[in-house]
Amino acid sequence: QQPVQSPQAVILREGEDAVINCSSSKALYSVHWYRQKHGEAPVFLMILLKGGEQKGHEKISASFNEKKQQSSLYLTASQLSYSGTYFCGTLVYTGTASKLTFGTGTRLQVTL
Amino acid sequence: NAGVTQTPKFQVLKTGQSMTLQCAQDMNHNSMYWYRQDPGMGLRLIYYSASEGTTDKGEVPNGYNVSRLNKREFSLRLESAAPSQTSVYFCASSEARAGVDNQPQHFGDGTRLSIL
Repeated sequence: QQPVQSPQAVILREGEDAVINCSSSKALYSVHWYRQKHGEAPVFLMILLKGGEQKGHEKISASFNEKKQQSSLYLTASQLSYSGTYFCGTLVYTGTASKLTFGTGTRLQVTL
Repeated sequence: NAGVTQTPKFQVLKTGQSMTLQCAQDMNHNSMYWYRQDPGMGLRLIYYSASEGTTDKGEVPNGYNVSRLNKREFSLRLESAAPSQTSVYFCASSEARAGVDNQPQHFGDGTRLSIL
């Protein structure tokens, strides 16, 4: 079952902040975040693990509430380069391997 | 550093034709994945392979077959293409091993497939 993302779309002026939410009906091992610019491949942003550990490459912050089965991505002082579609993925363990189930995405547009 | 390479980048097929999408990674990754992306649907997993010699179904496997030829290559085959399979197909790879393993996925540039 796909995680649910909100909002579906948001338009910001450069310098404004945004929060993107991801929630699941199932218990979560972790939450992965990716950004996809129009016509390009998704690019990894970060992984949030139980216990608060984060693995990521960009200066974007996020939170993971295990009890509520939710994660939020915080984009502060947005730049034009932040525009794109953001996907959260929740890790599913099949008993032998791990796979991601992605949400339907949040489209973010940053304008001047 | 090529990363994940997909071929072809674009393809137009007629209903009923067959086609194989190729994917190769040069990062020595254990796991490989095939996704399809349709407007408003996000990324949906078709098949994945946690190691050389193993493949498993994802969310939307019907109408597709896969082959993990070796550690580098993971191909996706449409045996009899249907208009409903018009989509953008992404291949991805990660270091993830068997078990619960949180590793980033690295995506190829995608194949844009249209079926008439």
